[in-house]
Amino acid sequence: EVKVLESGGGLVQPGGSLRLSCAASGFTFSSYAMSWVRQTPGKGLEWVSAISGSGSTTKYADSVKGRFTISRDNSKNTLYLQMSTLRAEDTAVYYCAKETDIVVVPANWFDPWGQGTLVTVSS
Amino acid sequence: QSVLAQPPSASGTPGQRVTISCSGSNSNIGSNFINWYQQLPGTAPKLVIYSNSQRPSGVPDRFSGSKSGTSASLAISGLQSEDEADYYCATWDDSLNGRVFGGGTKLTVL
Repeated sequence: EVKVLESGGGLVQPGGSLRLSCAASGFTFSSYAMSWVRQTPGKGLEWVSAISGSGSTTKYADSVKGRFTISRDNSKNTLYLQMSTLRAEDTAVYYCAKETDIVVVPANWFDPWGQGTLVTVSS
Repeated sequence: QSVLAQPPSASGTPGQRVTISCSGSNSNIGSNFINWYQQLPGTAPKLVIYSNSQRPSGVPDRFSGSKSGTSASLAISGLQSEDEADYYCATWDDSLNGRVFGGGTKLTVL
């Protein structure tokens, strides 16, 4: 069964840092691009970042560019999101999702999604 | 303010057909495939339609998708109580060089 499972969420002060992890299983991890998507409490979904299967290509939403870094360790089947200079508006449930191609292309879709990990930015 | 516009709510009675719209522009829906996700209360989103109108295995054929120009729609026929959920459209935006979502539509089965 194809699964992804996030971890690493928690409470962090404004200006702080946090690293999220996403453990993948049931598929050849290095053959697929991956994405992070967040959902603010009671609100909609916002794509955050994507990375190609090799890790050579990364993309970011303007709202996180320069503050967040996406990476992957294909030897550990794990995706990461390093978040720094966190703001209150970064408070959200963060989901990782498997894309449908090794490269990040417009035609991809997300399947499956993990169960999410909650990040709360507050003093 | 979401890049893709969806009605915030929709409703129907069991057995009815309901349609949820998603409106965008030439830089997103007009030039890329659209996907639809269902989010049941307290759970992660789940893919129900990909590439405008394709259904993943396991998704009932009551779910269908279509696209025309810069708009798309998700139709659910033979509405059932278990269809009560939030539905999101999503695509790529060439101008933003990233993925964009609609604001979501909360479907209520009366």
